[in-house]
Amino acid sequence: DGGITQSPKYLFRKEGQNVTLSCEQNLNHDAMYWYRQDPGQGLRLIYYSQIVNDFQKGDIAEGYSVSREKKESFPLTVTSAQKNPTAFYLCASNGQGALNSPLHFGNGTRLTVT
Amino acid sequence: GENVEQHPSTLSVQEGDSAVIKCTYSDSASNYFPWYKQELGKGPQLIIDIRSNVGEKKDQRIAVTLNKTAKHFSLHITETQPEDSAVYFCAASGNSNSGYALNFGKGTSLLVTP
Repeated sequence: DGGITQSPKYLFRKEGQNVTLSCEQNLNHDAMYWYRQDPGQGLRLIYYSQIVNDFQKGDIAEGYSVSREKKESFPLTVTSAQKNPTAFYLCASNGQGALNSPLHFGNGTRLTVT
Repeated sequence: GENVEQHPSTLSVQEGDSAVIKCTYSDSASNYFPWYKQELGKGPQLIIDIRSNVGEKKDQRIAVTLNKTAKHFSLHITETQPEDSAVYFCAASGNSNSGYALNFGKGTSLLVTP
């Protein structure tokens, strides 16, 4: 089955540590996205990538970093500079040049930082 | 950037009744409006979408209407069933500055009681 795989489903870290969330897709999509979801806040865009080796900041990029070395993979690193990292993180992708194309989401990673 | 407002934040209906969720958007250039359903612990799934050249679209018990002049669109679910209980998100397409990433409303938690 084609889809987006996020791992792990649950992640626990101590404050001050960097942590990397994995996102892999086998849909042959060019564009990939990271969203953050907090209760009552909807989905907010962290970073996006329209093509390999290129990515752009979204609305809340501070404290996060990404890479896009392969079409299939778009890992997100939550750095110690992120002031409130505990959240549900969603990875998504779409194709057809991304314009007006439905987003496909993974099942998310719930990160808890204590 | 695009601002998407969604109402109500919670909605409780009895099985068999209809449910309506409304969204407004700010960017007149937006031309793609999807709706997503999110079940607990999972990523959002596309349930229906509409493009700006269409005023209404139906898919069995689900319909979406779009009023581009007023910049609002609505989701209608008829003959609701308990399995319709979930969080629903509306979204509007962004512009080239954000890679056309979707901007989401804050979600509506729908509860269908038997």
